[in-house]
Amino acid sequence: EAGVVQSPRYKIIEKKQPVAFWCNPISGHNTLYWYRQNLGQGPELLIRYENEEAVDDSQLPKDRFSAERLKGVDSTLKIQPAELGDSAVYLCASTGLAGKPFSTDTQYFGPGTRLTVL
Amino acid sequence: KNQVEQSPQSLIILEGKNCTLQCNYTVSPFSNLRWYKQDTGRGPVSLTIMTFSENTKSNGRYTATLDADTKQSSLHITASQLSDSASYICVVSEASGTYKYIFGTGTRLKVLA
Repeated sequence: EAGVVQSPRYKIIEKKQPVAFWCNPISGHNTLYWYRQNLGQGPELLIRYENEEAVDDSQLPKDRFSAERLKGVDSTLKIQPAELGDSAVYLCASTGLAGKPFSTDTQYFGPGTRLTVL
Repeated sequence: KNQVEQSPQSLIILEGKNCTLQCNYTVSPFSNLRWYKQDTGRGPVSLTIMTFSENTKSNGRYTATLDADTKQSSLHITASQLSDSASYICVVSEASGTYKYIFGTGTRLKVLA
């Protein structure tokens, strides 16, 4: 079975340009997460979906970041316009149970998209 | 403030040696604690998940311990291999309505031949 799929793996853009990342979670997983990971740091949650509903977007910089998961399966994360400080790895993860971290359900991560903003 | 702190920041050991990584947390109310291994350029991979009632859990050469009273966890790696070179991240889930994962900054382990 395929794991969490993300594309592209790498993206280099100039500041003020838009960029989009795509994630396809493990088949059947209800909960999808987008994280940002800066070099040498742990991942930071940007948004969590349960099916197509964004249940936690409190850490998403809404002035420039947007996300969608229209059919409750794959998801896109967009930045417009990108800033230098957005350079990071953007990780997507999914879990099977609808959505409570107090469960011991394993969280599966994709390989990430490494974004470089010049 | 809910926090997860890991030590050391980085560690270098020789192949075949054992090592122990530490994780202290202030997350409350506590739900569970997870250890992840993250290879360079890859996403984190789950090693262990422990709930409040579990003191120890093993996954091959990896053994995690949890002391919920002192809010400390450790990850012990036995007979290290070159492939153990990675970052190890401790993650604590809070059991409040926000259901957040609190990530540590990780310990970067380098195993030398």
